[in-house]
Amino acid sequence: SQQGEEDPQALSIQEGENATMNCSYKTSINNLQWYRQNSGRGLVHLILIRSNEREKHSGRLRVTLDTSKKSSSLLITASRAADTASYFCATDARSGGSNYKLTFGKGTLLTVNP
Amino acid sequence: NAGVMQNPRHLVRRRGQEARLRCSPMKGHSHVYWYRQLPEEGLKFMVYLQKENIIDESGMPKERFSAEFPKEGPSILRIQQVVRGDSAAYFCASSPLDRGTDTQYFGPGTRLTVL
Repeated sequence: SQQGEEDPQALSIQEGENATMNCSYKTSINNLQWYRQNSGRGLVHLILIRSNEREKHSGRLRVTLDTSKKSSSLLITASRAADTASYFCATDARSGGSNYKLTFGKGTLLTVNP
Repeated sequence: NAGVMQNPRHLVRRRGQEARLRCSPMKGHSHVYWYRQLPEEGLKFMVYLQKENIIDESGMPKERFSAEFPKEGPSILRIQQVVRGDSAAYFCASSPLDRGTDTQYFGPGTRLTVL
């Protein structure tokens, strides 16, 4: 799998349900970030979790990071129709001196049905 | 505090023409990154610049593409002699630090269509 690969590719749920998206990566990282992209729009930064953190919360978002498994999950609780968007994880590389270079996966397309 | 600004938002060019994409980073940010997003794909790193310096252009095609971030004014991504395969969304991001330990804030993107 490529660095920063999300699954599932697409997720459809009802309003009020929780949505969980996963991200796997291959190399050691400093940070992992989650972004949201509404159709045809730019990226909105959601949350950054550092490699020495295991869990982080922001409003209805909960992110976990397991560096031993090189994976992260994004949980959106009590979803709303406005949460409909593509969600991307982005990782930076710890080694090689290029840790500014974010690597994105193809994203998870979340559809929240009213 | 205005976010990252990009213009134009949409750009249409015919094959062989030049495309110039502009990016103004957030106030106080001196580091700019350009990414390209092809349809149904994630973003791919192209180039990282600081004022008057190209730090890393490893993700940018060697021919026809160039980038600059002058002392005054916005960062410019320039594509010469565009081809249909250049059609994509081009995003600029900025950060106050260069070590990836701070968040990169993205602009709304420029959607380039090559006819």
